[in-house]
Amino acid sequence: RKEVEQDPGPFNVPEGATVAFNCTYSNSASQSFFWYRQDCRKEPKLLMSVYSSGNEDGRFTAQLNRASQYISLLIRDSKLSDSATYLCVVNMRGFGSARQLTFGSGTQLTVLP
Amino acid sequence: ETGVTQTPRHLVMGMTNKKSLKCEQHLGHNAMYWYKQSAKKPLELMFVYSLEERVENNSVPSRFSPECPNSSHLFLHLHTLQPEDSALYLCASSHGSGNTIYFGEGSWLTVV
Repeated sequence: RKEVEQDPGPFNVPEGATVAFNCTYSNSASQSFFWYRQDCRKEPKLLMSVYSSGNEDGRFTAQLNRASQYISLLIRDSKLSDSATYLCVVNMRGFGSARQLTFGSGTQLTVLP
Repeated sequence: ETGVTQTPRHLVMGMTNKKSLKCEQHLGHNAMYWYKQSAKKPLELMFVYSLEERVENNSVPSRFSPECPNSSHLFLHLHTLQPEDSALYLCASSHGSGNTIYFGEGSWLTVV
């Protein structure tokens, strides 16, 4: 089983659509969770951290279900500029240790005009 | 302007060459990383330096040799590479007790 597993994608959605990505992780001791965004041929950039109570940043909502070891990202009112690969990232060593950030393979999103 | 800069951005090298990738971070972080990203594969952690000491080496072949002279600079020395080593090499940094890492723009390496 992969340590961090994501929807394979690709997701092709029209502008204005709502799209959701899922991610599961294998280590129940994991404490820190993130979504990164990677544009084509660019470096990954932090999109948002994921908190236990769920958190929102504009059109983006992240949720965590520790019991199911499941993380989600919801994008509302998709824009063309949201087209990218979204990476689920889990700290497998626990809080305070950035040494073991494990990346999922990513889910590719294309927002169509 | 990125807080983590990498040079060169693109590198083509023969299998017998020796070259180095350079990374510099301007964020005051005390941990630095090398990641490898190959096509259709997830990011692979190669090396971790914390307070200039190597704390992680994920079974990387010896043809890759990291060097961290201080907390702001990180090198990856390359020698006798193979074509399958062609990939995007990403440097990153973080604050030791934090969890978010910040990437440089990457060095595209092609081994011919």
